[in-house]
Amino acid sequence: GQQLNQSPQSMFIQEGEDVSMNCTSSSIFNTWLWYKQDPGEGPVLLIALYKAGELTSNGRLTAQFGITRKDSFLNISASIPSDVGIYFCAGGNTNAGKSTFGDGTTLTVKP
Amino acid sequence: ETGVTQSPTHLIKTRGQQVTLRCSSQSGHNTVSWYQQALGQGPQFIFQYYREEENGRGNFPPRFSGLQFPNYSSELNVNALELDDSALYLCASSTDRGNEQFFGPGTRLTVL
Repeated sequence: GQQLNQSPQSMFIQEGEDVSMNCTSSSIFNTWLWYKQDPGEGPVLLIALYKAGELTSNGRLTAQFGITRKDSFLNISASIPSDVGIYFCAGGNTNAGKSTFGDGTTLTVKP
Repeated sequence: ETGVTQSPTHLIKTRGQQVTLRCSSQSGHNTVSWYQQALGQGPQFIFQYYREEENGRGNFPPRFSGLQFPNYSSELNVNALELDDSALYLCASSTDRGNEQFFGPGTRLTVL
């Protein structure tokens, strides 16, 4: 079945540093999404990407849809303590019903 | 605008029992998806309902079943509970089977 590999598994960074994480797939998707999950809560959608090569920003977050349609990247600039959490990538196809999630990147930000 | 709500928040059952989890979709959304999230892993797709019909199913046995009501709220039923069913069950809603899904806080199920 489809699998998403997210890396790194965890990151420990200093406040103010930039962060990069990525997600690769064995299958092609026509939608890539990035979510953040805080403890005890459901994932919250951060960015959605619909076109190969697309680069989209949401405040300090920037995500890219890889041109092969098998990968995506998320960058966070000037990290702050509230960026702490688990970041998930997800791939989907139009009307296919499901999103396939990676196993997450856990981000810790030291003040 | 009301977000996705789920009930109950926590649930403890014993092996072999049956459980029903409930989800109210976000206002204006007609699609509901259910996911199982084991500790330390990403959400795994169980199934999706669109306008009261199943629209896709993941690799889960038939003892996982669902329902969507005319108001687009949904239920997840699990029969013959097993220890491995212990997980966070997430409901997500969207518009017209769209991939931009909005998640509820989840129901934490513990099977003893």
